[in-house]
Amino acid sequence: QQQVKQSPQSLIVQKGGISIINCAYENTAFDYFPWYQQFPGKGPALLIAIRPDVSEKKEGRFTISFNKSAKQFSLHIMDSQPGDSATYFCAALGAWGGSQGNLIFGKGTKLSVKP
Amino acid sequence: DGGITQSPKYLFRKEGQNVTLSCEQNLNHDAMYWYRQDPGQGLRLIYYSQIVNDFQKGDIAEGYSVSREKKESFPLTVTSAQKNPTAFYLCASSIDHTDTQYFGPGTRLTVL
Repeated sequence: QQQVKQSPQSLIVQKGGISIINCAYENTAFDYFPWYQQFPGKGPALLIAIRPDVSEKKEGRFTISFNKSAKQFSLHIMDSQPGDSATYFCAALGAWGGSQGNLIFGKGTKLSVKP
Repeated sequence: DGGITQSPKYLFRKEGQNVTLSCEQNLNHDAMYWYRQDPGQGLRLIYYSQIVNDFQKGDIAEGYSVSREKKESFPLTVTSAQKNPTAFYLCASSIDHTDTQYFGPGTRLTVL
């Protein structure tokens, strides 16, 4: 119930294409959904985040789509660039039981953007 | 410069030794966290602290210990009881436990 399932595990996209990464959750206590970008050997960096009161949030080429009824959310990267090649993690944060405020991460998606 | 620093960047340990990983933040955040990352895996929570002098076990606390004597610092000790300590260790902090977490650059620990 505390899992966040992320897919695909890896993704290859041509430069200029759209990259789409999907996540699903079960626990309705989650109320904050961030996406992190991680380059090899570096710490994850917050990319964009959304709360369940909105269905979409856009920041530059990055968009989160959120479907509360389906308990799914996705990251869309428009006009993907080779510099976007990284591992992306979705996460969910919420208050439940004794784990109040802890982030639950998906297993990550390794994105490769081919020039 | 505000942020989270971790040291060292690389750490090598012999089996049977304890090692301590440093994490410092100057963001005035109350909450701090330690995660472990293994290849192909997400991040797993080791310990977290919501306030000075208080900390809680995460999902994989066995073989690890922490302290939170100062708001800015949250060191992690990997003890000899941790059977498979080779991993990438990440420290994070947030304003409070309900807010966005920001990560440090990580420490790669290798057991020889």
